[in-house]
Amino acid sequence: AQSVTQLDSQVPVFEEAPVELRCNYSSSVSVYLFWYVQYPNQGLQLLLKYLSGSTLVKGINGFEAEFNKSQTSFHLRKPSVHISDTAEYFCAVSEPPSGGYQKVTFGTGTKLQVIP
Amino acid sequence: GAGVSQSPRYKVAKRGQDVALRCDPISGHVSLFWYQQALGQGPEFLTYFQNEAQLDKSGLPSDRFFAERPEGSVSTLKIQRTQQEDSAVYLCASSLRQGPYEQYFGPGTRLTVT
Repeated sequence: AQSVTQLDSQVPVFEEAPVELRCNYSSSVSVYLFWYVQYPNQGLQLLLKYLSGSTLVKGINGFEAEFNKSQTSFHLRKPSVHISDTAEYFCAVSEPPSGGYQKVTFGTGTKLQVIP
Repeated sequence: GAGVSQSPRYKVAKRGQDVALRCDPISGHVSLFWYQQALGQGPEFLTYFQNEAQLDKSGLPSDRFFAERPEGSVSTLKIQRTQQEDSAVYLCASSLRQGPYEQYFGPGTRLTVT
């Protein structure tokens, strides 16, 4: 069974500082990995995804993530955060489609608070 | 273009009442998912539809939960005899096809059972 661990429930960071949000996963097979962002009272929006190929994935809003198979990690990074990045971030994993679809497992989320 | 919409956005129910939550996916999207997001948690899978067929309902927590998508577009999640532990945000997501394609999420319905 697949699972996702986000160890940091909250991450405060000053505006224009870099940030890393940590994500570790476990799975017995190859995986697809995702980061979603959730703004208050809104649904989740996809930031980026890793399916295969290059381990460094670039997403929207200047975010990027690196897939590390040996460490089973998929940490999210941004070199300089803005106030507008304040939101909750969810890491998610799915295994290749089985039975015609993929089941996605989400982590518990990390709240990023950008301090002016 | 229009995204995934859900109604109502907020629902307060007294314990024991039945509720129905509606999801309008993006037009043409084959796959539709329901998730339950408890306070402080990530979304947890409830059920999956491919067109009108419910292919997986393994995440439904009890037989009080029922979902349908009779014409392969709009879906309804029904909860009978609501309990306090049903209080959560219920998220609907759709995607164009099967496989590792982006799921587009609605804003959710926040259900509070008193």
